Amino acid sequence: GAVVSQHPSWVICKSGTSVKIECRSLDFQATTMFWYRQFPKQSLMLMATSNEGSKATYEQGVEKDKFLINHASLTLSTLTVTSAHPEDSSFYICSARDDWANVLTFGAGSRLTVL
Amino acid sequence: GDSVTQMEGPVTLSEEAFLTINCTYTATGYPSLFWYVQYPGEGLQLLLKATKADDKGSNKGFEATYRKETTSFHLEKGSVQVSDSAVYFCALRAGFGNEKLTFGTGTRLTIIP
Repeated sequence: GAVVSQHPSWVICKSGTSVKIECRSLDFQATTMFWYRQFPKQSLMLMATSNEGSKATYEQGVEKDKFLINHASLTLSTLTVTSAHPEDSSFYICSARDDWANVLTFGAGSRLTVL
Repeated sequence: GDSVTQMEGPVTLSEEAFLTINCTYTATGYPSLFWYVQYPGEGLQLLLKATKADDKGSNKGFEATYRKETTSFHLEKGSVQVSDSAVYFCALRAGFGNEKLTFGTGTRLTIIP
């Protein structure tokens, strides 16, 4: 079946540094990918819709300069948390929509801890 | 705005017990409803879905019925197994052509032998 790989699965960084998380569709092309954020005991919140070859569409309240999204190919979207602070610590999950099968596949998530 | 309210966990059951995880929603229009399951270390997987009122989604012994009158989509299984231990998410997608999924908080289910 379709597989979406997220890397790294967990990362610890110092406050003020930037962290990049990759979301890769392994065996299908995905023009559209989605980035979610999940706080403990809370639901997944959609942060942005990533579109290959164009700018991402951010949800209300999500800082686009803080959470940079790049979708440079049909199989890769990246989320960069810039100048990370402890409040950015969270579980980040991506999903990718198969262009042909129109099926949504989720990655296993990336846990970010900012010290 | 759209929202999903899901039964808080964690839920612990013995093997072969009956399972219900409650889910209610608020949405305008005619949303599609979903249950996703997340096994340890894996991504969310679609478990079942229903796209219109009175539809019943079913998969792997789980089922849920889209109840418009009560705005509910409760997940049920008659006899759970240890392998059903996972986190279950209820979600909705509002209207045709809208790709945005709105999730509930997730319910962690643990089945003990």
